[in-house]
Amino acid sequence: EAGVAQSPRYKIIEKRQSVAFWCNPISGHATLYWYQQILGQGPKLLIQFQNNGVVDDSQLPKDRFSAERLKGVDSTLKIQPAKLEDSAVYLCASIRGRGQETQYFGPGTRLLVL
Amino acid sequence: QKEVEQNSGPLSVPEGAIASLNCTYSDRGSQSFFWYRQYSGKSPELIMSIYSNGDKEDGRFTAQLNKASQYVSLLIRDSQPSDSATYLCAVRDSGYSTLTFGKGTMLLVSP
Repeated sequence: EAGVAQSPRYKIIEKRQSVAFWCNPISGHATLYWYQQILGQGPKLLIQFQNNGVVDDSQLPKDRFSAERLKGVDSTLKIQPAKLEDSAVYLCASIRGRGQETQYFGPGTRLLVL
Repeated sequence: QKEVEQNSGPLSVPEGAIASLNCTYSDRGSQSFFWYRQYSGKSPELIMSIYSNGDKEDGRFTAQLNKASQYVSLLIRDSQPSDSATYLCAVRDSGYSTLTFGKGTMLLVSP
């Protein structure tokens, strides 16, 4: 079974520009997570989807971050406008259902904001 | 605010020694506990999960959970240089809820 796919793998932008990341979860996985991992810290949840509905977006900076999962499969995370402090690795993870399951992480997108 | 605390390290051990990694958590309602390993520049990979008090062993890894003390640990026996990585402790309460990660402990195993 193919793993979680993410693209691009690396992105360099200037502050105030916009950027979008894409995630395709493991086939059949209903729950999808986006995490932000700043260097030297653990992953921090940004948003959780169950199919195409948002379960938890309490830590998503909604003034600049947005995410969607329109068909309940792949997902896009957008930042507009980017700030220097958004430099981080953006990780996508998925599980088949909910609750007591192992989260499988994608390779991540490394964002550098200059 | 749920918190998961780990010593950032680095924890340095010689090859063949036992490495002991510790984690404390703030939410008494936490039900599930995980240890992820993260190599530099890579994404986290699950190495152990534990749900009830006591020890759980898997090969060279042993996870220990004490819910009364809100404490989770990971022991790595016969440490190898390939074990050098950052170890992330993660905690989940129940249902839909998400994982809360600690900052991770860097482990360095010297040959």
